[in-house]
Amino acid sequence: QAVLTQPPSVSAAPGQKVTISCSGSASNVGSNAVSWYQHLPEAAPKLLIYDNDKRPSGIPDRFSASKSGTSATLGITGLQPGDEADYFCGTRDSGLGGLVIFGGGTKLTVL
Amino acid sequence: QVQLQESGPRLVKSSQTLSLTCTVSGVSVNSGAYYWSWVRRHPGKGLEYIAYIFFNGDTYFNPSLQSRVTMSVDTSMNEFSLRLTSVTAADTAIYYCARFVWSRPHFDFWGQGTLVTVSS
Repeated sequence: QAVLTQPPSVSAAPGQKVTISCSGSASNVGSNAVSWYQHLPEAAPKLLIYDNDKRPSGIPDRFSASKSGTSATLGITGLQPGDEADYFCGTRDSGLGGLVIFGGGTKLTVL
Repeated sequence: QVQLQESGPRLVKSSQTLSLTCTVSGVSVNSGAYYWSWVRRHPGKGLEYIAYIFFNGDTYFNPSLQSRVTMSVDTSMNEFSLRLTSVTAADTAIYYCARFVWSRPHFDFWGQGTLVTVSS
């Protein structure tokens, strides 16, 4: 069972907005930077967000993220069929000796 | 352009050792700014961090796998490797190598991944 809790699935129509939550604790999300990854089938995971809310170059501003306390949220606007993928949050857990941990993943379906 | 590419046997027999190598291009593994890591994804499940290594050989392992994992880095070949001993069916997964940024923990570049199946 993942230390970080994500909803198993979310769905929305093309052009709509969706949010994905990542809930943790004081020892992980509450005290370490959160990152988000998109994992398309048969592809490498792709970094979408790092340091809670920063986008690497090449990631469109349709993807955004925030963190408050022990929870983080990824937002995707203007949904496209190509956004259909699994999304994971990740961080470090200071209470587990600095172990890198991931959420269980959220399957995004674009209806 | 930073690129990582995994290589190694795709089929490993139960109780034997899984060995993978990650060849890095576009950046030197000698760079003191990054760690080099392995992450796996079991079929239908989430991501699991395995281990990371620094260019000087310092390593950090997932405690759940620590007793079975070793990593090494070959700066002359610009590659790093993973060995996982005493494998079982539970180790069947897609294995990814990735570059890890320790300060604001995230994996910024990933390999395409290689499916390793453990057979009985």
